[in-house]
Amino acid sequence: GAGVSQSPRYKVAKRGQDVALRCDPISGHVSLFWYQQALGQGPEFLTYFQNEAQLDKSGLPSDRFFAERPEGSVSTLKIQRTQQEDSAVYLCASTSVGEYVRTGELFFGEGSRLTVL
Amino acid sequence: AQKITQTQPGMFVQEKEAVTLDCTYDTSDPSYGLFWYKQPSSGEMIFLIYQGSYDQQNATEGRYSLNFQKARKSANLVISASQLGDSAMYFCAMRELLTGGGNKLTFGTGTQLKVEL
Repeated sequence: GAGVSQSPRYKVAKRGQDVALRCDPISGHVSLFWYQQALGQGPEFLTYFQNEAQLDKSGLPSDRFFAERPEGSVSTLKIQRTQQEDSAVYLCASTSVGEYVRTGELFFGEGSRLTVL
Repeated sequence: AQKITQTQPGMFVQEKEAVTLDCTYDTSDPSYGLFWYKQPSSGEMIFLIYQGSYDQQNATEGRYSLNFQKARKSANLVISASQLGDSAMYFCAMRELLTGGGNKLTFGTGTQLKVEL
């Protein structure tokens, strides 16, 4: 498809396990964002990439969270030693620089729902 | 830091009627952008409309219009001729500069809209 693709859609982890969430942005999109959405809340910014460079990671809640985009396309959000408070939907979004400057529109995936037991 | 406030947790509207979803914001930046996104039960965030702080006219996109009142710091979304498919969560958001370059969206807590027959 032509949209942002995220996998897995659903992930159940036992507390203490490591998880990896994948994001395939729209082809050619330079900018990539990760957001965390807790139940009943709006999305909260986690981190931002421009190509392979991680320009901002101020929203990552702890050093257990790590994101990468080594070739400037696919991105992975890794959470180590998961805790119950990590349970949320993790949304990935991408955009081209031109579109973002013009309208600010981000193209979101359907998210990965993480449940930590 | 910027802040977005949505005071209506839930709204009901009858099919074919118009509805207004409230959003107020707080920022010290002279230049900013305001957005509305729709989130259906499938989870993806769908861009609806954008308003730049220097835009002279209120933004419109089909059945969506943004009632931008700069002095009151409000950016209400008006949906005309509501349809059953409009039932979803609606988020107001503001673009905020990142210190490392680029920018992010700061979202409100959302309004759950239910369109009834």
